[in-house]
Amino acid sequence: GESVGLHLPTLSVQEGDNSIINCAYSNSASDYFIWYKQESGKGPQFIIDIRSNMDKRQGQRVTVLLNKTVKHLSLQIAATQPGDSAVYFCAENKSTGNQFYFGTGTSLTVIP
Amino acid sequence: NAGVTQTPKFRILKIGQSMTLQCTQDMNHNYMYWYRQDPGMGLKLIYYSVGAGITDKGEVPNGYNVSRSTTEDFPLRLELAAPSQTSVYFCASTRRLTGELFFGEGSRLTVL
Repeated sequence: GESVGLHLPTLSVQEGDNSIINCAYSNSASDYFIWYKQESGKGPQFIIDIRSNMDKRQGQRVTVLLNKTVKHLSLQIAATQPGDSAVYFCAENKSTGNQFYFGTGTSLTVIP
Repeated sequence: NAGVTQTPKFRILKIGQSMTLQCTQDMNHNYMYWYRQDPGMGLKLIYYSVGAGITDKGEVPNGYNVSRSTTEDFPLRLELAAPSQTSVYFCASTRRLTGELFFGEGSRLTVL
């Protein structure tokens, strides 16, 4: 099946710094990518998405970058806050398919 | 709207027992999914449904069954529980394949 993986399982950042979470995907046919945040004991929550015809998309304090050449996705969080501490997953889908595939996740810890 | 509701939140089963995890959504979403999440791992797709009366296998369907008799409900059944099925189970739904997946709070299952 498809494979979505992450470079680093854990990441610690100082409060106020910017965070960058990376994700590699293997299916070049995927055309839709999503980032989710999962707080302890809760279900994943949608953060931001991007389609394959874009290379950058910005939200509130978050930016997703897509590099299709190297099949790499990143999530940038500006001015990281303690409330950003969570596990972050990337997921991919083909618009012609019915399945979303998730990566392993990166655990982000924000140090006050 | 309640969103996606899962019951029970916690359950302990003995090996060989059967049970059904309930999932219901009130957003009139056609697409529904069941994932399992093992400790420190990502989400693995068990089964999914693109509409009432239609179900299909995901990455890890063995040991599970599903049904989709209505748009709202998507129960997951474990027929003969095994320790390998100890996990947290998440149900999710979405209106479209290039849209946000809405997750339930999860059902934590332990098989002893």
